[in-house]
Amino acid sequence: AQTVTQSQPEMSVQEAETVTLSCTYDTSENNYYLFWYKQPPSRQMILVIRQEAYKQQNATENRFSVNFQKAAKSFSLKISDSQLGDTAMYFCAFTSGGSNYKLTFGKGTLLTVNP
Amino acid sequence: ETGVTQTPRHLVMGMTNKKSLKCEQHLGHNAMYWYKQSAKKPLELMFVYNFKEQTENNSVPSRFSPECPNSSHLFLHLHTLQPEDSALYLCASSQDTGRGGEKLFFGSGTQLSVL
Repeated sequence: AQTVTQSQPEMSVQEAETVTLSCTYDTSENNYYLFWYKQPPSRQMILVIRQEAYKQQNATENRFSVNFQKAAKSFSLKISDSQLGDTAMYFCAFTSGGSNYKLTFGKGTLLTVNP
Repeated sequence: ETGVTQTPRHLVMGMTNKKSLKCEQHLGHNAMYWYKQSAKKPLELMFVYNFKEQTENNSVPSRFSPECPNSSHLFLHLHTLQPEDSALYLCASSQDTGRGGEKLFFGSGTQLSVL
């Protein structure tokens, strides 16, 4: 069974600075997808970024980028130029290549951006 | 706004009550999901529907009864719940369940309290 571990329950960062959230996962599969979802106080889970395991290039979406280390089974999220609106719970998630609906989530990291 | 709407936003019910949660998506997706989000725990997949057919029941107690009359609407009927069922119930949709790594679009959830 796949597992996703987020070892940082809470983190904080000053506005405009950079922060990195950690995620590790365990799987025996070679084809899979990794995601970072954001859940602000509004509770709506929003996809931040997606990484395909067979792509070596790290995914980026504006201020958000990942450091995907397949051999180490590590998938960290870097947020550059942090903004107050980035304050949220961040969830790392995994899904197999063949069945997208079986998303396995980590417990989340609460990120607070301070002014 | 992700195109997935859930009502009600909050719900308080007694253990003998019967209530229903509603989810509607305006994205033209074919797959819909119910997730349970409890404090300090990862999101748990409850049910999956694809083209109105249930494709996954993740060992959910029968006091939770899903209904999917069409690809745009999903209900979760609740009866004789227990206090431990108190949680945030999230609805999500995706284009379908057949392709790996598809993006899920979530609603804002219904915060359920069982007294």
